[in-house]
Amino acid sequence: DIVMTQTPLSSPVTLGQPASISCRSSQSLVHSDGNTYLSWLQQRPGQAPRLLIYKISDRFSGVPDRFRGSGAGTDFTLKISRVEAEDVGVYYCMQGIQFPYTFGQGTKLEIK
Amino acid sequence: QVQLQESGPGLVKPSETLSLTCTVSGASISSSYWSWLRQPAGKGLEWMGRIYTSGSTNYNPSLGSRVTMSVDTSRNQFSLRLTSVTAADTAVYYCARDCSGGTCYTGSVDSWGQGIEVTVSS
Repeated sequence: DIVMTQTPLSSPVTLGQPASISCRSSQSLVHSDGNTYLSWLQQRPGQAPRLLIYKISDRFSGVPDRFRGSGAGTDFTLKISRVEAEDVGVYYCMQGIQFPYTFGQGTKLEIK
Repeated sequence: QVQLQESGPGLVKPSETLSLTCTVSGASISSSYWSWLRQPAGKGLEWMGRIYTSGSTNYNPSLGSRVTMSVDTSRNQFSLRLTSVTAADTAVYYCARDCSGGTCYTGSVDSWGQGIEVTVSS
């Protein structure tokens, strides 16, 4: 299985300040079709996960532009330019290139 | 907008079979892959497997032969069966749309149900 490793596992952030989460995969997520199937999901407390970012950097419908994904190959980053209260929750990276799909351990974003 | 809703019993006895159904609205079930995922309380996400409208499936090897998925296109539903359950199968179970294989533009698991909590206990 592809192992997805996130850092940090916890991120206390001041409102209005930026936040950054890293994700590393144990092998390249570049598909033979040229796409890289790395996604970021957000899970607010008590809610189901929701897709934020797909194919490294494309924002899903309705996702604010303060969320930005970047990276290539095996190293990826999710950045929030200015954290808002509604951003509290757990963030997961996920690979969709090989079965079984696998997730990072999750990064808990909380407000200082 | 695609909406998914899980249904089924919230309590299953050890060694018995867990059966859940996901009803899809806002999209034809014939247009994508459909996945099941689960999350034990306080833990991370596990992908269990997926099914296409043709009945083609991919399962997580960690579940062995205990998992079976099926699809009912006439009802726009797909289902999960997990046999011989134990306490380790206690989790919130989610159904989701899987846009891999070019079936839809995200190439990801992009729409999720609200989840259903299933407890395995006698």
